[in-house]
Amino acid sequence: GAGVSQSPSNKVTEKGKDVELRCDPISGHTALYWYRQSLGQGLEFLIYFQGNSAPDKSGLPSDRFSAERTGGSVSTLTIQRTQQEDSAVYLCASSLYAPSNTGELFFGEGSRLTVL
Amino acid sequence: RKEVEQDPGPFNVPEGATVAFNCTYSNSASQSFFWYRQDCRKEPKLLMSVYSSGNEDGRFTAQLNRASQYISLLIRDSKLSDSATYLCVVNTWNAGKSTFGDGTTLTVKP
Repeated sequence: GAGVSQSPSNKVTEKGKDVELRCDPISGHTALYWYRQSLGQGLEFLIYFQGNSAPDKSGLPSDRFSAERTGGSVSTLTIQRTQQEDSAVYLCASSLYAPSNTGELFFGEGSRLTVL
Repeated sequence: RKEVEQDPGPFNVPEGATVAFNCTYSNSASQSFFWYRQDCRKEPKLLMSVYSSGNEDGRFTAQLNRASQYISLLIRDSKLSDSATYLCVVNTWNAGKSTFGDGTTLTVKP
């Protein structure tokens, strides 16, 4: 499809394991964002990319979290040594430009992470 | 204090009612404003942009008051299908990111 694609859609892991979440943005969108949403909560900004660079990493909760983007397209969010408090839905969004003049972010369906 | 604050609700209204949501933002440098809608266990989707002059899209009206740093969304003649969480979003151009409020939950009942 032409939308933002995220994988896996669901991931259950044991505490202490590493996980990788993938985002494939809409073709041609230069900006890519990662947010996370805990149950019943709002969206928490994690990081954004303009092309392959990340001008704003301020939202990453700890050094266990990292993200990269290659070829101005696919992005991977990696969480090392997962903790139970990392359980959430991780949402990826893309927009044509950043900051987007229209402001519209197109979201993927999210990756639901459960840490046991 | 959060950058974007919303009344969390929940708002429970009968079909046909008019309901209004409010949102305040703290960064006076904020430049563009939006309302997103999020259905249960789904991703957020853009509902409408908010312009300084106010704008309307069918039953939905959005208003912006820059002096008070306040945004509103009015829904007239509520439908069952309007039940969702409504997210206020603020863009600050030199921040490069969209800041989301925690959302206001609306349930429209028959």
